[in-house]
Amino acid sequence: DTGVSQNPRHKITKRGQNVTFRCDPISEHNRLYWYRQTLGQGPEFLTYFQNEAQLEKSRLLSDRFSAERPKGSFSTLEIQRTEQGDSAMYLCASSSITGNSYGYTFGSGTRLTVV
Amino acid sequence: AQSVTQPDIHITVSEGASLELRCNYSYGATPYLFWYVQSPGQGLQLLLKYFSGDTLVQGIKGFEAEFKRSQSSFNLRKPSVHWSDAAEYFCAGGVGNEKLTFGTGTRLTIIP
Repeated sequence: DTGVSQNPRHKITKRGQNVTFRCDPISEHNRLYWYRQTLGQGPEFLTYFQNEAQLEKSRLLSDRFSAERPKGSFSTLEIQRTEQGDSAMYLCASSSITGNSYGYTFGSGTRLTVV
Repeated sequence: AQSVTQPDIHITVSEGASLELRCNYSYGATPYLFWYVQSPGQGLQLLLKYFSGDTLVQGIKGFEAEFKRSQSSFNLRKPSVHWSDAAEYFCAGGVGNEKLTFGTGTRLTIIP
């Protein structure tokens, strides 16, 4: 197991275009989280899944954002009609609700630049 | 509302000097507490975590943190910093196994 994997690492897109990011969590982790981090700030929670169910969405997640985890494994985060304010690092994390290790692990992130 | 506060935006220390980064939390109950480190353009690496029990927690890279309930604090310490410790440090809190709330981070600069 190589940890949480995110693709692509970098994405540059023109304003108005749609983008999709992918996150592959640690295989035995049943929870998956998306965070957004803007320059000079800490990560902010966007949404999370337990298996394939999306259990919570932040108010930060406008209707242009959608996340899926169709088979309870990998997840995608899509942003439609991108705006310059969407430029940020998008971080994925996974964790397990079983056991005591609280394995909350982050990926390396996808940096989005909207021009 | 749940919150995590890091009062220091930027700290500069000399290589070999001791370090303490401050973190305060505000939760209805004692949260799980974490310290992460982030190098430029990179993801977050977990340094250490506190769930319960011993209030002095040892982490990787020679870091430790002490949970003080009376002060609602979870400060990160290192006795002697190395140039490679220069990075952004984030304190975070969570309840159960759900979303984490992060502080705004402390940027650490090391001078020779």
